[in-house]
Amino acid sequence: EAQVTQNPRYLITVTGKKLTVTCSQNMNHEYMSWYRQDPGLGLRQIYYSMNVEVTDKGDVPEGYKVSRKEKRNFPLILESPSPNQTSLYFCASSGTASSYNSPLHFGNGTRLTVT
Amino acid sequence: GQNIDQPTEMTATEGAIVQINCTYQTSGFNGLFWYQQHAGEAPTFLSYNVLDGLEEKGRFSSFLSRSKGYSYLLLKELQMKDSASYLCAVRDLTSGTYKYIFGTGTRLKVLA
Repeated sequence: EAQVTQNPRYLITVTGKKLTVTCSQNMNHEYMSWYRQDPGLGLRQIYYSMNVEVTDKGDVPEGYKVSRKEKRNFPLILESPSPNQTSLYFCASSGTASSYNSPLHFGNGTRLTVT
Repeated sequence: GQNIDQPTEMTATEGAIVQINCTYQTSGFNGLFWYQQHAGEAPTFLSYNVLDGLEEKGRFSSFLSRSKGYSYLLLKELQMKDSASYLCAVRDLTSGTYKYIFGTGTRLKVLA
């Protein structure tokens, strides 16, 4: 089944404790991205990647890191989480140049709480 | 700059038709998407427009006017399960890189 898998679904942590949210897709998509969703603000892009070893900042990259060592994986790293990073996070992927009408496929989300 | 506007909330009756509007401003327009999102769940893809005109998919249709920076999603024969948020998203292609910009979503309540 074609899907984007992100883990964990729920995570409660404390300020300053490094964490990683994993994301994997099995559709051979070039494009992957991370979003956070907060009430009244909609989905905001954190980082995106056009292909392996290519990453770019989105609209709200501060406090986050990503890496794209393999095509299928795009982990989101919070080196020192803070309470303002409490949010619902989504990973998504899509095809690019050769499949211009390919929509974003989303993972099931990770609800992160930082106390 | 880049901006997407859509109404915050709409209410409609089961069996009726509802139109959700979206206006956008972007420099490198490369397609417009509509997603449905139930509370606490992931957005799911509904429709895609890149050329002007109407795209129909069963009970859902989406329209695009690139010159006006305007799109709408039309939902017919509303069902209770259509109660959800509807997200308008524009794909922007600038300097060879893609960015997806989302509106804040329109929360639709379908009443019996």
